[in-house]
Amino acid sequence: QVHLVQSGPEVKTPGASVNVSCKASGYTFKNYGVSWVRQAPGQGLEWMGWIRPDAGDTRFAQTFQGRVTLTADMSTATLYMEMRDLMLDDTAVYFCARSVLVGSTPPGYWGQGTLVTVSP
Amino acid sequence: DIQMTQSPSSLSASVGDTVTISCRASQGISLYLAWFQHKPGKAPKSLIYGASNLQSGVPPRFSGSGSGTHFILTITGLQPEDFATYYCQQYNIFPWTFGQGTKVEIK
Repeated sequence: QVHLVQSGPEVKTPGASVNVSCKASGYTFKNYGVSWVRQAPGQGLEWMGWIRPDAGDTRFAQTFQGRVTLTADMSTATLYMEMRDLMLDDTAVYFCARSVLVGSTPPGYWGQGTLVTVSP
Repeated sequence: DIQMTQSPSSLSASVGDTVTISCRASQGISLYLAWFQHKPGKAPKSLIYGASNLQSGVPPRFSGSGSGTHFILTITGLQPEDFATYYCQQYNIFPWTFGQGTKVEIK
């Protein structure tokens, strides 16, 4: 079955960078896009971006354009989300989520989430 | 960006009730609408895609309808495990966007 396992919690200082990984298994990795979504404390879900692993095609919400990089390692079926210049309000749980179907389709399977805490 | 507006923001209901949640898009999105359930401390759960297609494993008490700019999520016969926050998301045009969420609470 589809399984997405994310890396562990991170604590960072403002201005630092963070790299969250998402190890995929149980499906043909190259065939499905993956979204990244975050939830800050007390807030709703926020769509960050999407990557098509085989082509490396990426799309972003304006908020994250230029500050977030999404990559996919085809050899290990692992996705990465790097965020730079962290700010206090980047404190959130970050989720990776595989598309429900092949193509540009919404999340159907979710990782367990990674808590990123930004603190002085 | 396409704005997604859900109503109500929260509601109280009892086990066995039928609940409807509305989601409106700021422009037409055809059928490119998904619904998610989210409980605190858990990963979101995908419920519906394509406005009305049930994700595998989702109970049939969940249903979705609508097209264009107005969509509805219906839960028929609310169960204790259904108390959660529900989000719609459009995936017609990048950037994809979520609604602000509707919290379903126990009356």
